[in-house]
Amino acid sequence: GPKVLQIPSHQIIDMGQMVTLNCDPVSNHLYFYWYKQILGQQMEFLVNFYNGKVMEKSKLFKDQFSVERPDGSYFTLKIQPTALEDSAVYFCASSLMGGYAEQFFGPGTRLTVL
Amino acid sequence: AQSVDQPDAHVTLSEGASLELRCSYSYSAAPYLFWYVQYPGQSLQFLLKYITGDTVVKGTKGFEAEFRKSNSSFNLKKSPAHWSDSAKYFCALEGGGSNYKLTFGKGTLLTVTP
Repeated sequence: GPKVLQIPSHQIIDMGQMVTLNCDPVSNHLYFYWYKQILGQQMEFLVNFYNGKVMEKSKLFKDQFSVERPDGSYFTLKIQPTALEDSAVYFCASSLMGGYAEQFFGPGTRLTVL
Repeated sequence: AQSVDQPDAHVTLSEGASLELRCSYSYSAAPYLFWYVQYPGQSLQFLLKYITGDTVVKGTKGFEAEFRKSNSSFNLKKSPAHWSDSAKYFCALEGGGSNYKLTFGKGTLLTVTP
């Protein structure tokens, strides 16, 4: 079936550095999402994105976070600067439609901030 | 506010038995409810969803779920269970007008012994 890819699978960086997490969504999908999962906790919504704009962001989506999808390429999550509490697995998802549509998830990027 | 509770962190049963994974939710309006499954080393995969209408919904891999408004539950069922059903199962809620974000439970790790 359709797959969402995430690059890299694991990223280790020093606190204060910038990191960009890349997501290759299903090709004809229009809605894009990022979720965050801290070890041992549930997956939590960060942000969603449609038609070049953020639709909604949660309180977890700090000012240091940004998303974009330039020219229909990767959907990216950038954190600048990173903090220790940003260590988590970040999941990207995409869907063809908005409401009550199946979201397709990537395998996640494990981010470790030292 | 919306929330999802999966009270059983781990369920173990024998192959051939019936499985039922519990999910309860809290939401002030009509919810859209989903079940996803994550096999070891893989991404979350959609199983089924309830939007409206029939309260028993059928999904992939022989699973079904029953929506019960009276006790705000959406339990996942399958009979008989197979060892290949061993995985982590996530219940999720999308609130209408929530910009399509999913609120997840913590997940239930299902182990089916041969």
